[in-house]
Amino acid sequence: DTGVSQDPRHKITKRGQNVTFRCDPISEHNRLYWYRQTLGQGPEFLTYFQNEAQLEKSRLLSDRFSAERPKGSFSTLEIQRTEQGDSAMYLCASSLDDQTRAFFGQGTRLTVV
Amino acid sequence: QKEVEQDPGPLSVPEGAIVSLNCTYSNSAFQYFMWYRQYSRKGPELLMYTYSSGNKEDGRFTAQVDKSSKYISLFIRDSQPSDSATYLCATLGAGGTSYGKLTFGQGTILTVHP
Repeated sequence: DTGVSQDPRHKITKRGQNVTFRCDPISEHNRLYWYRQTLGQGPEFLTYFQNEAQLEKSRLLSDRFSAERPKGSFSTLEIQRTEQGDSAMYLCASSLDDQTRAFFGQGTRLTVV
Repeated sequence: QKEVEQDPGPLSVPEGAIVSLNCTYSNSAFQYFMWYRQYSRKGPELLMYTYSSGNKEDGRFTAQVDKSSKYISLFIRDSQPSDSATYLCATLGAGGTSYGKLTFGQGTILTVHP
């Protein structure tokens, strides 16, 4: 499978714990995006990378959230001190230069209890 | 007011019906308009995209954009039960090759029953 891969698919964590998600984009894609989707809503933009540079961050990305893309390949999204409001599907997407053709992964579903 | 508004439905139609899905948007800077399909517990899948106003057809799917009224539509002809999914409209700013943020509507849940 050469699509966007996300790991884990599901994560249940206790409030206050830290969690980290991984995204492996399509190999030749230089752009990588993170979105968050809550039940009954469309995805909301969190941040995006061009190669290893993080070029834009949403106001939704509080200081508890951090994303990295070392060496411009895979990316990680870490949430520190999780809160119940962080429960959502975290989606990763990648594209080659042009986000009109962004491909999404299956997402990581986070449940904070 | 959200930048992209979409009626969440749900919409239920019989197999073979023509389906019309619609969105409105508020930011006239949007130039690219996409439709994604999302099956339950899966990531969104790009169906088609349109640049500026006009129509685009791909098989049973037709996307339509009217920039004067800020209205986006997706038509599905001869709908099939396999079309049952959530349909998301999305927009992208004028700098399509350099501006990274897709803005999505809420999504419309469609069920096509046999």
